[in-house]
Amino acid sequence: AQKVTQAQTEISVVEKEDVTLDCVYETRDTTYYLFWYKQPPSGELVFLIRRNSFDEQNEISGRYSWNFQKSTSSFNFTITASQVVDSAVYFCALSEEGGGADGLTFGKGTHLIIQP
Amino acid sequence: SQTIHQWPATLVQPVGSPLSLECTVEGTSNPNLYWYRQAAGRGLQLLFYSVGIGQISSEVPQNLSASRPQDRQFILSSKKLLLSDSGFYLCAWSVRDFTDTQYFGPGTRLTVL
Repeated sequence: AQKVTQAQTEISVVEKEDVTLDCVYETRDTTYYLFWYKQPPSGELVFLIRRNSFDEQNEISGRYSWNFQKSTSSFNFTITASQVVDSAVYFCALSEEGGGADGLTFGKGTHLIIQP
Repeated sequence: SQTIHQWPATLVQPVGSPLSLECTVEGTSNPNLYWYRQAAGRGLQLLFYSVGIGQISSEVPQNLSASRPQDRQFILSSKKLLLSDSGFYLCAWSVRDFTDTQYFGPGTRLTVL
């Protein structure tokens, strides 16, 4: 069975600090997809990124970067020079090949607080 | 572009009353549709998913039901609400591909008193 673990329940940093959110996953499939979503106080989950299991290249998008390591089954998310607007709950999620009917397996989320 | 709507945004209902939450998607055809619940504590629980009109699968036993009367409409219902039904209900859609990338609506916050 697939599982996603976000061990950090809450992280609080001061604005402009870098912060890394950890995500560890378990799956028996060789083909799978990993996701990060952001849930701001308004509640809507916002899709940030999707990676497939065959692509271990790290990705950078502005202040956001993602480090995918199959050897440690991790898909960590780093925010550089954090800003107050980054305050939100962040979810890591996994889907196995076939998609659709099985839905996404979510971690429990990490509440990120950026203090001014 | 695709958009997903949910209503109402907030709802306060007494125990034992019925429930109907609606979700509609625009800009895509034949989407997979999902209902999730997020109780206090943030975890997301998949309640129902649908791969087509009239095709509903339930992930957990409960007093909720779902229906898909039209291709881009997904409805969550209950005949009698329980206190434990309180939470944040999110609808999501995905394209029918192998990735299952899901896009979420704004959610409905339900409080059962």
